[in-house]
Amino acid sequence: DAGVIQSPRHEVTEMGQEVTLRCKPISGHNSLFWYRQTMMRGLELLIYFNNNVPIDDSGMPEDRFSAKMPNASFSTLKIQPSEPRDSAVYFCASSLVQGQEPQHFGDGTRLSIL
Amino acid sequence: GESVGLHLPTLSVQEGDNSIINCAYSNSASDYFIWYKQESGKGPQFIIDIRSNMDKRQGQRVTVLLNKTVKHLSLQIAATQPGDSAVYFCAENIGSNYKLTFGKGTLLTVNP
Repeated sequence: DAGVIQSPRHEVTEMGQEVTLRCKPISGHNSLFWYRQTMMRGLELLIYFNNNVPIDDSGMPEDRFSAKMPNASFSTLKIQPSEPRDSAVYFCASSLVQGQEPQHFGDGTRLSIL
Repeated sequence: GESVGLHLPTLSVQEGDNSIINCAYSNSASDYFIWYKQESGKGPQFIIDIRSNMDKRQGQRVTVLLNKTVKHLSLQIAATQPGDSAVYFCAENIGSNYKLTFGKGTLLTVNP
C-alpha cells in the first residue's frame, strides 16, 4: 500500500530563498498534519488540516511559513524567505479520522538552509 | 511534543533477547496510546496502538502494556533483531482530539 509521500527528500538552499515542501497523504485519509523535527525540540506540530481545511495553525513559527491543501490528495508547506534556523526535518502525516486513529508519517524532507 | 534534546534514553540488548521500552505519560485523561518506531533517515512508523479500555494488546513480536493506575506504558519486543534498532516513541491522545503528545523517545541498539 502506498504510504504518505513527501518530496523532495532533501533540500539545500541559501537563506532568503523560497522553499516548497510537498505531501501526498494516504488515499481516503481526511486528516493531514505537518510536523518539524529537530534534535533539541523533537517533533513539533506545525499545522493540521481536516477535510482540506486548516483547523489549527498555532504551531506555525512565523508568517514566513504557510501551508495549503488545495485538494484531498495534495498539500504544500512553504517557507519564504527561508532562514538557517529553519533547517530541520519536516514530516507530513495523515490519518483516517481525527483522533483515536494512528497518524501515518512520510519519510520527511531534510531541509538545510545555508 | 516533548523535546528529544541530547539526553535520549538508550537501551542496548543482545540479538535474540527480549526488549522492554517504557514510557510514562502525564495526562490521566489520555485514552489512546500509540508506539512508533523511527529508523535513521525515515519517518516515525506506526507499530501498535492501545485504547484505555484495554490493559494489553499483542501484535507480531510486540506487546503493549498499559497501566492506567501509574500512567505507564510499555512496549515489549520479543526475540529482538538488529532490524529493530531505532528510536521508539510513545504518543498519547485524548478523545477525538487531533493532537498527539509524543514522549522523548528511547534509542534501542541491538548487538549481534
